[in-house]
Amino acid sequence: SYELTQPPSVSVSPGQTASITCSGEKLGDKYVAWYQKKPGQSPVVIIYQDTKRPSGVPERFSGSNSGNAATLTISVAQPMDESEYFCQAWDRSTAVFGGGTKVTVL
Amino acid sequence: QLQLQESGPGLVKPSETLSLTCTVSNGSVSAGIFFWGWVRQPPGKGLECVGHIYQSGSTYYNPSLESRVTISMDTPKNEFSLRLISLTAADTAIYYCVRSSGVSDYYYIDVWGKGTTVTVSS
Repeated sequence: SYELTQPPSVSVSPGQTASITCSGEKLGDKYVAWYQKKPGQSPVVIIYQDTKRPSGVPERFSGSNSGNAATLTISVAQPMDESEYFCQAWDRSTAVFGGGTKVTVL
Repeated sequence: QLQLQESGPGLVKPSETLSLTCTVSNGSVSAGIFFWGWVRQPPGKGLECVGHIYQSGSTYYNPSLESRVTISMDTPKNEFSLRLISLTAADTAIYYCVRSSGVSDYYYIDVWGKGTTVTVSS
């Protein structure tokens, strides 16, 4: 079955840039979505189709996807961005998720 | 705005069967081109897709759960359901009902329910 790999954790200082990678075989041939999940809340999509932001998602969130990896970038990180982030691709008509990355802003 | 609400037991005994229902409001399970499904998150772990059902009735399951899971849809009631048999402690998780949007062979989850906690314990 298809697998997506993410680093368990990323730290970033407020105002700096954080990058989260999501690796998978020929991932660039698929579209990737990214979800933000805070404790006690349901996940929320922040990037879909590699680069698109739903309305209401701040412009500091951006995505890219090429080769075997997709990247979520948080520019000018804010304390409110501290959360867990999951990447997701679609394989054989089911959603496949990465293991999640906890982003700490400090 | 479309809303999803899970319902079902919070505690189930090992070896028994879990049945959850997702009620859809402010929208219809038979409208548009969407997948309706279930995603779970065990304590301290990541998200796992359980499976989806398309409006045509076609179902798609996570290969690791396929032998134990059934997802069905009740269009008149505007709801869909999950049935998971032979439960073990490993099935303890928050279960979310979800809607996936997209085209062709690409979908992403654009609507999530609030989730319901299921504990498997005697």
